[in-house]
Amino acid sequence: ETGVTQSPTHLIKTRGQQVTLRCSSQSGHNTVSWYQQALGQGPQFIFQYYREEENGRGNFPPRFSGLQFPNYSSELNVNALELDDSALYLCASSLAHSDEQYFGPGTRLTVT
Amino acid sequence: QQQVKQSPQSLIVQKGGISIINCAYENTAFDYFPWYQQFPGKGPALLIAIRPDVSEKKEGRFTISFNKSAKQFSLHIMDSQPGDSATYFCAANKAAGNKLTFGGGTRVLVKP
Repeated sequence: ETGVTQSPTHLIKTRGQQVTLRCSSQSGHNTVSWYQQALGQGPQFIFQYYREEENGRGNFPPRFSGLQFPNYSSELNVNALELDDSALYLCASSLAHSDEQYFGPGTRLTVT
Repeated sequence: QQQVKQSPQSLIVQKGGISIINCAYENTAFDYFPWYQQFPGKGPALLIAIRPDVSEKKEGRFTISFNKSAKQFSLHIMDSQPGDSATYFCAANKAAGNKLTFGGGTRVLVKP
């Protein structure tokens, strides 16, 4: 059984640019959630994808968008990057209607 | 609005001692309360979780105590070891919900 994987591990972008982060869910898991974790804080829910559709969204602006693919993998896209977008972006996978979410190692995004 | 409040922010305990971390929540719709352990540069790992229908759950050296009337729950780490040094997060989710709401985290340092 493979765990949640994310790519890239880290990247540096300039303010105003766009970024795409990728996540492969744990084997058998069909639901993917994305979280933003600022330094020294707890993760904040961005949104969740199930059956290739958004299934709930946190308090994040529309420039945060996502996709889920038929193999359950997912992308997080952020447009018009701002300095405050610098954070660890975490992907978590779960079974539909299950409470247990399993996190990947995260992608460290730095916006300069 | 911080729906899950966690304390203390940091904790130092001697090897073999007991680490106690407390969380309080506001939303009575929360139905699932997990604890996550996070090491530097890693994603959060699910440690143990509880539902409101039980007052205590134990897994190895980790115990959750739950007080529904006070809307509080706590994590006890018995016989703390240096390898337990990490940041611990409490979280909460609604029944069949999709969004984990995290506390602010507690940095635990276990001294040998």
